[in-house]
Amino acid sequence: DAGVIQSPRHEVTEMGQEVTLRCKPISGHDYLFWYRQTMMRGLELLIYFNNNVPIDDSGMPEDRFSAKMPNASFSTLKIQPSEPRDSAVYFCASSPVGAGGNSPLHFGNGTRLTVT
Amino acid sequence: AQSVAQPEDQVNVAEGNPLTVKCTYSVSGNPYLFWYVQYPNRGLQFLLKYITGENLVKGSYGFEAEFNKSQTSFHLKKPSALVSDSALYFCAVRALGTTDSWGKLQFGAGTQVVVTP
Repeated sequence: DAGVIQSPRHEVTEMGQEVTLRCKPISGHDYLFWYRQTMMRGLELLIYFNNNVPIDDSGMPEDRFSAKMPNASFSTLKIQPSEPRDSAVYFCASSPVGAGGNSPLHFGNGTRLTVT
Repeated sequence: AQSVAQPEDQVNVAEGNPLTVKCTYSVSGNPYLFWYVQYPNRGLQFLLKYITGENLVKGSYGFEAEFNKSQTSFHLKKPSALVSDSALYFCAVRALGTTDSWGKLQFGAGTQVVVTP
C-alpha cells in the first residue's frame, strides 16, 4: 500500500496566482480530509468528503478556497487567488469506514505552500 | 462542543527515562481518543486509540496510553524513551454518537518531545 499520496511536496508561488494541490487517497477508503497546519493555528480541518461527496466545508477559510473529489481516487484543493497568509502545510488524509467512526486517519506527507 | 488540551508545549526527557505526554479532553458523551506522532516534514502517523474496554491501550513503537474517565485524561506513556522518539505528538478526540462524529476529529495543539542522549 503506497499510502496517501500528495503532490507537489513543495509549492512556491506569487500572490494572486492560482494554486492546485492534489491528493490520491488509499484505495478503498471512503473518507477524505483536507487539513492545514500552521504554527499559529495548529491543525485545522478545511473540508471532508464521504464517498466523493463533500460533507462539511465549514473550515474552508474563504471563497478563494475550493475542493473537489471527482472520483474515489483523486481530490484537489484549489486556492484562487492565493495570498501570503495562505502559506502553510496542507495535508490530505483518508480513512476507511469504521464501525461507529473509530478508524484512524492516514495522512499524506503534505504540501508545503509558500505564497510570496 | 468537543475540545482537547495538551498542556505542555514541550517535554524534555533523557534517553532511557520514562516519557509522559499529557492530554485532557472534553466531549458530550463517550469519546474516541487517538494519539498521533509527526516527524519533521512528514504527515501525522497513528499511534494508538481508545474506543472502549481496557483503560490501558498499547500501540506502536512501545507506546501506551491510559484512559481515565473521571479525570477526562488520556496521557501517552513510554517506559523508556529513545532519541528517535523525538517528534511532535498530537492527541485527538472524536465524540461518539453525534451526527457529525464520523468526520470531525478535534486535535490538540501538539507537544514537542525532545529526547536527549
